[in-house]
Amino acid sequence: GAGVSQTPSNKVTEKGKYVELRCDPISGHTALYWYRQSLGQGPEFLIYFQGTGAADDSGLPNDRFFAVRPEGSVSTLKIQRTERGDSAVYLCASSPYWESGELFFGEGSRLTVL
Amino acid sequence: DQQVKQNSPSLSVQEGRISILNCDYTNSMFDYFLWYKKYPAEGPTFLISISSIKDKNEDGRFTVFLNKSAKHLSLHIVPSQPGDSAVYFCAARLDNYGQNFVFGPGTRLSVLP
Repeated sequence: GAGVSQTPSNKVTEKGKYVELRCDPISGHTALYWYRQSLGQGPEFLIYFQGTGAADDSGLPNDRFFAVRPEGSVSTLKIQRTERGDSAVYLCASSPYWESGELFFGEGSRLTVL
Repeated sequence: DQQVKQNSPSLSVQEGRISILNCDYTNSMFDYFLWYKKYPAEGPTFLISISSIKDKNEDGRFTVFLNKSAKHLSLHIVPSQPGDSAVYFCAARLDNYGQNFVFGPGTRLSVLP
């Protein structure tokens, strides 16, 4: 497809489990972002990749959260020992170059931790 | 400490009239501002942007105004259409601080036919 693709669209898990969320950006986009959106709030920055490297991971809430982008395209957000407070919609976005001000968002992965 | 604020959680406007969505920010280092629109079950989509060196940017029915001294920007939609009903997010980028975009909490716009 032409847009940013995120899988799964919905994930329900139990407290303490491990979760992986995948993002496939628009082809050719070098910058990739992860955001988290809780109910009634705006997207909250987590991490930004320029190519394969994490250029800014200052938004990751703690060391249970980790993200990779090994080949500079697909990215995986990994959450260990999930907590109920991790429940949110996790949004991925890409942009064609790092100075581009426009982000192209996917539809998000809704994570529910029971 | 919310750096980007949208103090109106919701706004209702009659079709054909002007919609004005407001956004205030606290950090004078923001150099670029964007508006995104979000429909239910979809990701936000880019609408319009403005650099801090400008005070107005227009694109069709959408105009964004920036008042740097007041740390305030607004999005004007005229004429409003029912398809404009969505949640609108204001976002700002810190100058020379990577690409960390800070989003406001959003305003839900309802355009009534």
